[in-house]
Amino acid sequence: KAGVTQTPRYLIKTRGQQVTLSCSPISGHRSVSWYQQTPGQGLQFLFEYFSETQRNKGNFPGRFSGRQFSNSRSEMNVSTLELGDSALYLCATSLEQGARTEAFFGQGTRLTVV
Amino acid sequence: AQKITQTQPGMFVQEKEAVTLDCTYDTSDQSYGLFWYKQPSSGEMIFLIYQGSYDEQNATEGRYSLNFQKARKSANLVISASQLGDSAMYFCAMREGLSGTGTASKLTFGTGTRLQVTL
Repeated sequence: KAGVTQTPRYLIKTRGQQVTLSCSPISGHRSVSWYQQTPGQGLQFLFEYFSETQRNKGNFPGRFSGRQFSNSRSEMNVSTLELGDSALYLCATSLEQGARTEAFFGQGTRLTVV
Repeated sequence: AQKITQTQPGMFVQEKEAVTLDCTYDTSDQSYGLFWYKQPSSGEMIFLIYQGSYDEQNATEGRYSLNFQKARKSANLVISASQLGDSAMYFCAMREGLSGTGTASKLTFGTGTRLQVTL
């Protein structure tokens, strides 16, 4: 059974550009969440999607957006990149929503903004 | 207030010894899940073990066990027979929310513990 797949693994972008990251969940998983990890702030929740609907959003500016497709694959987009957006972006997928549902992560996309 | 507290920024353990990584949590929900993840230098977040708030028995997965003390709100990870490959960051996380209602349920992470296994 394939795990969570995130593409690309590494990305270098220039300030002001935009970027799109992709997450393909484990087969059958319908919930996809995104997290940003930085040395200073640790792991912070970005947003969660379930059945193509955003169900929850973290405290990030509107430059961060996402969507989920009918096959549960999800993308997140960051527009007008800033140096502070450099981070490891991780997605986690679960069979369903709910507190007592195991969540599995992808390998992450390491974004560097120069 | 911190929802997940990991008080040990770094730990050392000798190979083949057992080690306990501490985690305390704060929630007013009755239904929640507790998770431990391992993150090697490659960055991938590897799921280790899960404990549901209603689970009466402590979770175990191979060399990993979770010492769940609900009244004390602690969920310590015990790694038995440490191996060199266990050297990594370890994160405790919690997922709150009412199960089955469709309520969104983000993971809240602690700051992590860096474990170094030595010969």
